[in-house]
Formats: sequence, C-alpha cells, structure tokens
Amino acid sequence: DAKTTQPPSMDCAEGRAANLPCNHSTISGNEYVYWYRQIHSQGPQYIIHGLKNNETNEMASLIITEDRKSSTLILPHATLRDTAVYYCIVSPGGTSYDKVIFGPGTSLSVIP
Amino acid sequence: ETGVTQTPRHLVMGMTNKKSLKCEQHLGHNAMYWYKQSAKKPLELMFVYSLEERVENNSVPSRFSPECPNSSHLFLHLHTLQPEDSALYLCASSQDRTGHSPLHFGNGTRLTVT
Repeated sequence: DAKTTQPPSMDCAEGRAANLPCNHSTISGNEYVYWYRQIHSQGPQYIIHGLKNNETNEMASLIITEDRKSSTLILPHATLRDTAVYYCIVSPGGTSYDKVIFGPGTSLSVIP
Repeated sequence: ETGVTQTPRHLVMGMTNKKSLKCEQHLGHNAMYWYKQSAKKPLELMFVYSLEERVENNSVPSRFSPECPNSSHLFLHLHTLQPEDSALYLCASSQDRTGHSPLHFGNGTRLTVT
C-alpha cells in the first residue's frame, strides 16, 4: 500500500502562501491523494483531494506532479487559524479505508 | 459543525468501569469508523461499518466492543480498560467505504483511564 512522506514541521508567515509538500512515490494509477488537517483538540478536517489534475477549492489548492509521485498543498494566504497538523494520505483505489495509513503529518505554525 | 457529533467530549473512567462512546452523523453516509489517536502517534483505524455491518476489526482487544444500530449511529462500548487505552477516540463517516469519498470526522472523545 502506498505511503506518504511529509516534513515533520514548517513555519509560515501570516498572509503568505503556505506550501506543504508530500511524497508518495509508490502511488498506483487509481489512487487518490487526500489532504486533511487537525487543529488542536479537534478531529481531522477534510481539505481537498485529487487524482491527476490540479484541484482548487475555497480552502486550498492541490498541485500533483505529472508523474504523481509527489504533491503540494497550497494555502494561498495563511492565517493564524491555519496552524494545525496537515496529513497527506493516499487512498487505495477500489478498496476501503482499511488500507489507508495516516502518518504523523506536518505541523504547520503560522507566525504573526 | 462537522456533521458528525460525538459524546461525551471528555470521559474519565476507572479500569473496572463500563462506559459507552456515542457517535451520530447527519450526512446520510453509509460507512462509519472508529479511530484511536494516542499521544504522539498517528491515527489508528479500529473498526469499520458499512451499511450497518462490521467489515473490519483491526485486531482490537475485546474490551472495545462496537455497535451500529442504524446507519446514523455508532457506539463504542468500553469495559475493563487499561491506562494505555487513554487516548482521543474519533468517529468518522464517509459516503461509502471505497476510499474514494472523503472522511468526515467528529471532534472526538478524550478518554482517560485511571
């Protein structure tokens, strides 16, 4: 099953773009890349997901490389409320969340 | 408001007690999950229910007993727990269990076993 690798921590200045990288070099062709975040004392929150194409929603943008071995989550204008642990996961195609592995994620600190 | 509500938010119990955690989802989803999040550890999947049938039990000790009476409700019954069971217990739901629909999490129950 595909696993992901993320830096353990990152800092970002308030108002600047936060770019969070994720490596998923063993991803298969039908597996989606998902991003979640977990603010302290809350449950994880879904942010965005994609298969091949870049995706954008009201929260963030997801850039997936052409070979699909890595991706970047972009928060265009980070605020203090974006301080959280961000999880990048790969969802095995056609099977259930039984096989999904959450790693330790990236702890993003947005600094005033 | 996540659409997934967990009660209680905090629970302290002794090792000989019996208690239950409750989860309710208002999203019309067909799959529900229990996850455990211990301090400094990633999320661990405990149980999966799809259309009210349990489809996965990741070698969870029998002192944890799940129940899914209908597609909107999920319980985790606890008995004779150990201090190492202290953790944040998270409930989640998804439209289906294929892994192609996002998980929606509740805010969890912070459990302390004394």
